[in-house]
Amino acid sequence: DVKVTQSSRYLVKRTGEKVFLECVQDMDHENMFWYRQDPGLGLRLIYFSYDVKMKEKGDIPEGYSVSREKKERFSLILESASTNQTSMYLCASLRVFSYEQYFGPGTRLTVT
Amino acid sequence: GDSVTQMEGPVTLSEEAFLTINCTYTATGYPSLFWYVQYPGEGLQLLLKATKADDKGSNKGFEATYRKETTSFHLEKGSVQVSDSAVYFCALRGSNFGNEKLTFGTGTRLTIIP
Repeated sequence: DVKVTQSSRYLVKRTGEKVFLECVQDMDHENMFWYRQDPGLGLRLIYFSYDVKMKEKGDIPEGYSVSREKKERFSLILESASTNQTSMYLCASLRVFSYEQYFGPGTRLTVT
Repeated sequence: GDSVTQMEGPVTLSEEAFLTINCTYTATGYPSLFWYVQYPGEGLQLLLKATKADDKGSNKGFEATYRKETTSFHLEKGSVQVSDSAVYFCALRGSNFGNEKLTFGTGTRLTIIP
């Protein structure tokens, strides 16, 4: 069974802290994605990666960076967390053959 | 750029009612279209998809037909169950080569009451 896991379900951080969100997939997929989900806005793409060490900005990359050192792991980094980054963060990986994205359960991040 | 518009929720129906959630899109060429579902406390999962005009995607009693002429991909189910309560997202993948991104709608929260 395919699986995408995220390091935390809930996270509370203080303004200005550096935050790491980890995502791991066990399907050997090349493409991985980070989204944030906010009520009334749906899912918005932050960054995606199409291979190890490769990344591209999505629609809302400001305030975020990413790291892809191994194929199975894609990390989202908030360099200096701010309250407007309080959100649900979803990671996904892509099976290119069927073009199906597989999502993790999400991390609900609260920045106080 | 590409965009997806879906009906605003929340939608509340009684069990066994007929469901329609509207979705229209703006994109050049021939995008692929998807419906994803998010059950409480979970990530999204693919419900159905259609990759060309007039294709019908179906799964778990849900159906959606890719209508190029009306740029629509409405989700329907003949008889909903309490277990269908979830948030539903319409999404598209643009047709330009190498495009691996999805553009999502804002989501429609569906609640089914017994």
